[in-house]
Amino acid sequence: SQQGEEDPQALSIQEGENATMNCSYKTSINNLQWYRQNSGRGLVHLILIRSNEREKHSGRLRVTLDTSKKSSSLLITASRAADTASYFCATDPWETSGSRLTFGEGTQLTVNP
Amino acid sequence: EPEVTQTPSHQVTQMGQEVILRCVPISNHLYFYWYRQILGQKVEFLVSFYNNEISEKSEIFDDQFSVERPDGSNFTLKIRSTKLEDSAMYFCASSDEDRATGELFFGEGSRLTVL
Repeated sequence: SQQGEEDPQALSIQEGENATMNCSYKTSINNLQWYRQNSGRGLVHLILIRSNEREKHSGRLRVTLDTSKKSSSLLITASRAADTASYFCATDPWETSGSRLTFGEGTQLTVNP
Repeated sequence: EPEVTQTPSHQVTQMGQEVILRCVPISNHLYFYWYRQILGQKVEFLVSFYNNEISEKSEIFDDQFSVERPDGSNFTLKIRSTKLEDSAMYFCASSDEDRATGELFFGEGSRLTVL
């Protein structure tokens, strides 16, 4: 089954605005993580939310998880031009025996100065 | 701040050649991974490694692939006979925790181009 589908695929906003990205998945999970990737660079872990958590905050980031709808959202408040990057959700499914993350297609966020 | 380092940053090879990609995970981490990202596509899991053995591998990780931790610091991915479709960015990652808390620390990647 396909996991971790983000929407929108691309999002363009002005500096100072909030950016919301959504992720849907299909199987039960242990946790869901959000990663950021600047163009041509490695993935940077942003935040992890466990299946028994509903909301988590870290600085300007807010993540929600709705396991009944199998969906998550990432909110970046007061965006900056430096937030321009691709954002991926990644799920750790129950049925696998190890820490095997399944990544989504990603949302390309552009923050215009 | 500790980081995962990967070499080479870019390798160009001919189809059928063997390639070894190298990674130095964060020193106190116990869990090691390889992922790949074909240009414009999603990041895909290849293999996880713990306690000197493969703990899980994906369908992509066939007999042409192997991993090794030859000493206390390096973690390598070998592709025995490269194909055109192996062209991708290969990311190494490490973690000090198991799946329950599993934040992964990724390297900057090795770009493999197979001609």
